[in-house]
Amino acid sequence: AQSVSQHNHHVILSEAASLELGCNYSYGGTVNLFWYVQYPGQHLQLLLKYFSGDPLVKGIKGFEAEFIKSKFSFNLRKPSVQWSDTAEYFCAVTPGNTPLVFGKGTRLSVIA
Amino acid sequence: EAGVAQSPRYKIIEKRQSVAFWCNPISGHATLYWYQQILGQGPKLLIQFQNNGVVDDSQLPKDRFSAERLKGVDSTLKIQPAKLEDSAVYLCASSPGTNVYGYTFGSGTRLTVV
Repeated sequence: AQSVSQHNHHVILSEAASLELGCNYSYGGTVNLFWYVQYPGQHLQLLLKYFSGDPLVKGIKGFEAEFIKSKFSFNLRKPSVQWSDTAEYFCAVTPGNTPLVFGKGTRLSVIA
Repeated sequence: EAGVAQSPRYKIIEKRQSVAFWCNPISGHATLYWYQQILGQGPKLLIQFQNNGVVDDSQLPKDRFSAERLKGVDSTLKIQPAKLEDSAVYLCASSPGTNVYGYTFGSGTRLTVV
């Protein structure tokens, strides 16, 4: 069965620091990859997605992610975080027309 | 466009009681999903509907959980009887079709079983 691993359970950063959240998946074929964000008290929102083409994907709010097929990874990055980026971040994978499989999430706390 | 609506927002019940959650997806979205998110974990799929038919319910604990999607629009998820380990947030999501371009999630129902 496919699975998604998010290595960091809780990340604490100061404002303006750079962010990288790891995501690895276990599936050998073609996959669609997603990052979702859940701000405190809000619903899950799509940050960005990758289906094919340029492995560097840009999403909303200055986030980007890079798909590295050889490493089965889809890491999320942001050059400079803001206090408003405090949230929980979920990586999700599907091989195609099947439901998303989510990682356990990484909680990001940004301090002033 | 209106989002995915879920109700109630919160529910507290005693173990062995029954509970039902309601979801109204985005208009025109054929596919509807129910996910269970236990504290500290990512969402886990319970059931997927395509219109009013079940596509995948392999992870639904059918001895106590049931779900339906009448007329291919609204859906209800029921737990009867509830156990302590059912305490979680129940998320409903919808998408235009089986091709996955990202779901739209509702705000969820937080269930506490005491």
